[in-house]
Formats: sequence, C-alpha cells, structure tokens
Amino acid sequence: ETGVTQTPRHLVMGMTNKKSLKCEQHLGHNAMYWYKQSAKKPLELMFVYSLEERVENNSVPSRFSPECPNSSHLFLHLHTLQPEDSALYLCASSPQIRATVNEQFFGPGTRLTVL
Amino acid sequence: AQSVAQPEDQVNVAEGNPLTVKCTYSVSGNPYLFWYVQYPNRGLQFLLKYITGDNLVKGSYGFEAEFNKSQTSFHLKKPSALVSDSALYFCAVRDIANDYKLSFGAGTTVTVRA
Repeated sequence: ETGVTQTPRHLVMGMTNKKSLKCEQHLGHNAMYWYKQSAKKPLELMFVYSLEERVENNSVPSRFSPECPNSSHLFLHLHTLQPEDSALYLCASSPQIRATVNEQFFGPGTRLTVL
Repeated sequence: AQSVAQPEDQVNVAEGNPLTVKCTYSVSGNPYLFWYVQYPNRGLQFLLKYITGDNLVKGSYGFEAEFNKSQTSFHLKKPSALVSDSALYFCAVRDIANDYKLSFGAGTTVTVRA
C-alpha cells in the first residue's frame, strides 16, 4: 500500500502477556514514529526515531518499550498492559526528521485489545 | 504550543454535493498544514499540504484546501462528493519550533450518501 507495513494487524493480549509490534518501511526514510490512535481523540505521538536514535519519548509509560535496530525497522515491545491501552497503534516514516515540508507515511496499524 | 481543532465530529452530505471539512489551527510561527484521510481498517493517507505560496492547495482524489491566515483556518473541500469519499479526515499542523512534531485534530467522519 503505502510502503510502510505493520504486523500483526490485530492483537489480543492479557494484561500479563508480553508481545511486540513490528513496523517496516520500504521507502528509504530516516525517521520513524509510533502513534497511538484512540476513538474521537487526536493521534498521540509516542516515540520518534531518527537514524535509529530515539529523539522523542512523549511521557509514555514504561510498559511500552520501543526498539529501532536499523532505519527500516521499528518495534514496540508491550508488557503488563492495561485495558485502557487498547487502541490502534500506527507506525509512520518520513525522509528526515527535521524537514518541515515532508509529510509522514503511515502503515495500516495494529488493532490492539487488552483484556 | 501548536494545536489543531476540527469543530465537527461528523459531516453528512449527499453524493454530488459540495463537501467541506473544517480545520482551525494555532501555532507560534508560520504554519505547515496537512490533511490526511483514513479509510476503514487502513492507515492514514496523505491528501495535501500547505507550506507557502498560493492559498488554494490542490491534492489527491479531487480534494483542495484553502489556507486563510486571518481566520487561522485550513478547510478541506471537494466540489462534488462521492460515496467513496466516506472516511475519517484528519487535519494536522507542524510549526518550525517543533518541526518534527505533527499535531493532529481529533478527526471528522465524513459520510456521503448515495
């Protein structure tokens, strides 16, 4: 679709589980982002990476742990989540982090349900 | 701090009629404005952006948006809506002080009835 893929597309987990979300971009971009999308609310920026280095951690609880092993891959490791963490998690990429004119390219998202 | 407001949760129009989705913004410097669309079970897709220059910006799928600095608005428009335009639309703003951060509105659900 957009050059950004995410797996899995759907995930149901218990509060004691550990799982990981995966994002891969095929666009040769240097910046990658994790967003949380909840119904009727603006997208919440969670993490920003530029060339595998974390630039932003937006006061996200430690039960969310990002990993960026290279500029094409981004992971979000989840552990001991709460039901209020249920949401659509979107990954995005852009050519550079500080190129103001560039739009971001989004993946299809992972629909997470925490029981 | 930068912010975006989309005053309407929902917009309903008949196919063939004009479609407008409203957006107002607040930034400390020059605004860089974006519209994205999200179809069911899909990620956000870029529609158009305003950086500088002509206040009327044309984008994908026949959409356009008008930048109005005095009213701090960036409304999305389409002259003749299609049923396939039914989706969730997000306005976003970036300002030069935090130029990697896009601030999104809460979204407007557009329903176009046949």
